[in-house]
Amino acid sequence: AIQMTQSPSPLSASVGDRVTITCRASQGIGNDLSWYQQKPGKAPRLLIYAASSLQSGVPSRFSGSGSGTDFSLSISSLQPEDFATYYCLQDYSYPLTFGGGTKVEIK
Amino acid sequence: EMQLVESGGGLVHPGESLRLSCAASGFTLSRYWMHWVRHAPGKGLVWVSRIKSYGSDTVYADSVKGRFTISRDDTKNTLYLQMNSLRAEDTAVYYCVRDGLGQVDMDVWGKGTTVTVSS
Repeated sequence: AIQMTQSPSPLSASVGDRVTITCRASQGIGNDLSWYQQKPGKAPRLLIYAASSLQSGVPSRFSGSGSGTDFSLSISSLQPEDFATYYCLQDYSYPLTFGGGTKVEIK
Repeated sequence: EMQLVESGGGLVHPGESLRLSCAASGFTLSRYWMHWVRHAPGKGLVWVSRIKSYGSDTVYADSVKGRFTISRDDTKNTLYLQMNSLRAEDTAVYYCVRDGLGQVDMDVWGKGTTVTVSS
């Protein structure tokens, strides 16, 4: 199975900060990577698919980049509603695997 | 509005069975691949199973293979997960998830149903 390693965790930041979360795959996965946001007690929400495509309805302050084994999710100016846990997911091969999650906390 | 609503969770003893259901509305279920994803307390998200559109192909995580069965009834717009021989480590919130068309990934999620396996 492909292992997905996220860093950092947790991530402490302030409103207005630019933050970047990274996800590394144990083998090349092309651009078959998506990013999800999850708040406590809620279902995850798709933010980015195909590594860099913004899902409809997601604010443009979210962006994704990368291909192969190294990927990143950036938030250009952190808003209060962005404090949450973020997960990457590879769908290059089965079993699908999520990263361990990055909790973005208030500094 | 596109919606997925899970049901069927509950408290069971180790070794028992449960069947989860997921009712889809606002879109035609038959067109989409569907997944189950679970979230154990204090842990990360874990993919469980996938079924292709028109029910022709299924795949499972090693941890549930041989115990869980994913199925669908497109005439009822409903996805199922039959869970047998349940273990304590299966305790989690189970989400029903739509796999978007084209390159779009898991784009519609249900609110989840809680499964607790405890003696």
